[in-house]
Amino acid sequence: DAGITQSPRHKVTETGTPVTLRCHQTENHRYMYWYRQDPGHGLRLIHYSYGVKDTDKGEVSDGYSVSRSKTEDFLLTLESATSSQTSVYFCAIHRGQITDTQYFGPGTRLTVL
Amino acid sequence: KNEVEQSPQNLTAQEGEFITINCSYSVGISALHWLQQHPGGGIVSLFMLSSGKKKHGRLIATINIQEKHSSLHITASHPRDSAVYICAVIRGTGNQFYFGTGTSLTVIP
Repeated sequence: DAGITQSPRHKVTETGTPVTLRCHQTENHRYMYWYRQDPGHGLRLIHYSYGVKDTDKGEVSDGYSVSRSKTEDFLLTLESATSSQTSVYFCAIHRGQITDTQYFGPGTRLTVL
Repeated sequence: KNEVEQSPQNLTAQEGEFITINCSYSVGISALHWLQQHPGGGIVSLFMLSSGKKKHGRLIATINIQEKHSSLHITASHPRDSAVYICAVIRGTGNQFYFGTGTSLTVIP
C-alpha cells in the first residue's frame, strides 16, 4: 500500500468554523490532490499540487484553500465551513506518469452542522 | 454533462453471474483506470488501460479507443466483489483524472 494518511478521519464541526484537513505521504510523489465525494457526483477535484508551493484549482475550489510547504504534506482548509461542505474528502498522490495510478488516502468524513 | 459516463449506476447479481460494467467518455484520453471502492473503505486501482485488454484473476478490462468505451467484466461473481467500481480517464499529460460517478455492485449469495 502507498504510504498516504489523512487526519482527522472523522470530524464534526459547526457552520462558520475553520477546518483544516491534513494529507501526509511517505512516497515522495510530486502530485497531490484533494477530492470530495458526494452521492451522485463521484469524485470531484478541489485543488491539486504539482510541487512545493505550487498549487492549482480544481472544478469545485470555491470555499477551499490549500497549502503545500513540504513535499510530504498537503493541507486543505475550509476557512468558514458551510453545510454544503459536508462530504467525504479523499487525498491522492501521483508520480505524474500517464501509466501510473493515483493512490488514495483512507478518506476524511466531515460533517458541518 | 459529465465527460465520463458509467452504466449501470446500480447492479445486483446472484453469486456466480457474469457481470459487465460500462464506461463511456466524450474526450480524447491518454489512459483509463478502473478503481474499486468497498463500503466504508478506501479506493484502490484495479487496472490501467491505454489499449486492448487486461486480465487479473476474475476481472477483465477492455477498451476501444475509437468508440471511446471501456468495459469491466467480472466472471463467476462473488459477494466479496460487492463494491463501487469507478472509471477514471486521464487527458493530456496525465496530471488530472476525471471520474465517472461509479457503479454500485451488490452480489447476493
